[in-house]
Amino acid sequence: SQQGEEDPQALSIQEGENATMNCSYKTSINNLQWYRQNSGRGLVHLILIRSNEREKHSGRLRVTLDTSKKSSSLLITASRAADTASYFCATDLTQGGSEKLVFGKGTKLTVNP
Amino acid sequence: DTEVTQTPKHLVMGMTNKKSLKCEQHMGHRAMYWYKQKAKKPPELMFVYSYEKLSINESVPSRFSPECPNSSLLNLHLHALQPEDSALYLCASSHPKGGVRGDTGTEAFFGQGTRLTVV
Repeated sequence: SQQGEEDPQALSIQEGENATMNCSYKTSINNLQWYRQNSGRGLVHLILIRSNEREKHSGRLRVTLDTSKKSSSLLITASRAADTASYFCATDLTQGGSEKLVFGKGTKLTVNP
Repeated sequence: DTEVTQTPKHLVMGMTNKKSLKCEQHMGHRAMYWYKQKAKKPPELMFVYSYEKLSINESVPSRFSPECPNSSLLNLHLHALQPEDSALYLCASSHPKGGVRGDTGTEAFFGQGTRLTVV
């Protein structure tokens, strides 16, 4: 079952513009992570934000987390054509003493050169 | 080595065949996962192994049978699959809860997946 809902489902921008993707979730989390997927292959981890953090940066990426609203956003600044991919948020949940990552529906980002 | 290696990359099998998907990592991760991903959909969790024991089974049909022979290997045995089981199967690994990373979580590393077609 999906925990995260992302919007927009698809986003098309020009190179150099910023891209913002949002994620909402339903239950308590250990942390929230963002992943990127190119052309239906493996997922690549981008950034992890813990439940007690509010903002985190990594290069051109900025992630925010609002646990009171159960939402997160991913901002990619100065986008490049190579950023074209699908982006998924994933919530790290505990179930029966084990952890699992539950993925949102994803945002398909197209960066036009 | 930060790679998760999945074999084969592509697999076509008939509904009466038995096949296995393999996954290997050498990062010392003691949690390993199988996900299934249909086209234009997010990955859906199937199984979680923690310290080589099955800890989560997301109500997956018995025609999918996971196996974790040691801390580096994860297999998914397939038998009597249906065409609707055609999908990208992804393996992932991470440090488990309470392990090296304590209780705050670490990222998962994914393999490139096996694209399975059931005919």
